[in-house]
Amino acid sequence: GAGVSQSPSNKVTEKGKDVELRCDPISGHTALYWYRQSLGQGLEFLIYFQGNSAPDKSGLPSDRFSAERTGGSVSTLTIQRTQQEDSAVYLCASSPAAGNAQPQHFGDGTRLSIL
Amino acid sequence: GQQLNQSPQSMFIQEGEDVSMNCTSSSIFNTWLWYKQDPGEGPVLLIALYKAGELTSNGRLTAQFGITRKDSFLNISASIPSDVGIYFCAGRRQLTFGSGTQLTVLP
Repeated sequence: GAGVSQSPSNKVTEKGKDVELRCDPISGHTALYWYRQSLGQGLEFLIYFQGNSAPDKSGLPSDRFSAERTGGSVSTLTIQRTQQEDSAVYLCASSPAAGNAQPQHFGDGTRLSIL
Repeated sequence: GQQLNQSPQSMFIQEGEDVSMNCTSSSIFNTWLWYKQDPGEGPVLLIALYKAGELTSNGRLTAQFGITRKDSFLNISASIPSDVGIYFCAGRRQLTFGSGTQLTVLP
């Protein structure tokens, strides 16, 4: 597709379970970002990938959160031993390259609900 | 970390009115971006600003990058019902987001 694709669009799981969220960036975009949006809040930066460089993990809230980006394209955000406070919309964005001159294009997000 | 203060938090206006919202920060940003988010969807970029003092329009939308590089505003002229949504400002590479302005347009 032409835009950033995220799956699943909704995920409901029990506390303590692990979840994986997937992001397919726009083809050719080398930069990929994950954000978390809690209900009624702005977006909170989680992690950033640029090409083959080491990711910027400075926004990950705990060691239960991790992300991979295979082959410089698809990315997976994994949350282990989920907690109720992990409930949020997780948004992925991509841009053609890194840096301030590159606007980010967002997917529609994965709505994660922890019971 | 960087903090963006976005105001107002919410607005109720009459159709046809002009709207103004702004973001301020104690930190300098090199880029200001304005996004709109509809329910159940990801943010969509409205306007991107790259230079201090830059004034950019996109249809009925006008945004400016403050001279101090610590603020930006977004104006919407002659509002229409489809302008309803949450408007976010964002700055820098990782896009530090403001908390959003919920806009409601009354017929």
